[in-house]
Amino acid sequence: QKEVEQDPGPLSVPEGAIVSLNCTYSNSAFQYFMWYRQYSRKGPELLMYTYSSGNKEDGRFTAQVDKSSKYISLFIRDSQPSDSATYLCAIGMASGAQKLVFGQGTRLTINP
Amino acid sequence: DAGVIQSPRHEVTEMGQEVTLRCKPISGHNSLFWYRQTMMRGLELLIYFNNNVPIDDSGMPEDRFSAKMPNASFSTLKIQPSEPRDSAVYFCASSTPVETQYFGPGTRLLVL
Repeated sequence: QKEVEQDPGPLSVPEGAIVSLNCTYSNSAFQYFMWYRQYSRKGPELLMYTYSSGNKEDGRFTAQVDKSSKYISLFIRDSQPSDSATYLCAIGMASGAQKLVFGQGTRLTINP
Repeated sequence: DAGVIQSPRHEVTEMGQEVTLRCKPISGHNSLFWYRQTMMRGLELLIYFNNNVPIDDSGMPEDRFSAKMPNASFSTLKIQPSEPRDSAVYFCASSTPVETQYFGPGTRLLVL
């Protein structure tokens, strides 16, 4: 079993839709949860970062963590064509300079 | 800030040749990470350094791969001899102890 499971998609939705991206993990020792966005032919860039269960909101993006279920989600409201990218979840056991385990990435397309 | 700098951005070589990838981390970041990304396997951590010291190289696939960090502002990943299955995008990332990782633009390697 992989440490982090993420549906690779692809996922295609119309502009304005609410998007839900999800990951599950197996090790309860993981404490830090991140979402990275990767545009085509670019490096991953940090989108959201949280270390507690519950919701964290940043503009149109909401990161949700449920440690009891070992389940993390990223919601995108009012999706825009510019949100089309691959989204990778990443989890770690400690902050900063420690190993992150990445999900496979979900390829998302927002259709105008 | 210039961000993480990687060179070359693209590399095409023939099987058996030596390949050297280079990375300059963000100034002030004392941790550096090398990743490989393929469609099949996603983003995999190869090795990471703290304060120029290799901490975990368990992701290095074979003895053909080696990495060095001679000082805080420079690291190399070398493949010798290269094989077609090494074709991938190689990313370098850096961080501080309290921040998460920032990725470079990647080096696209094609081994013929």
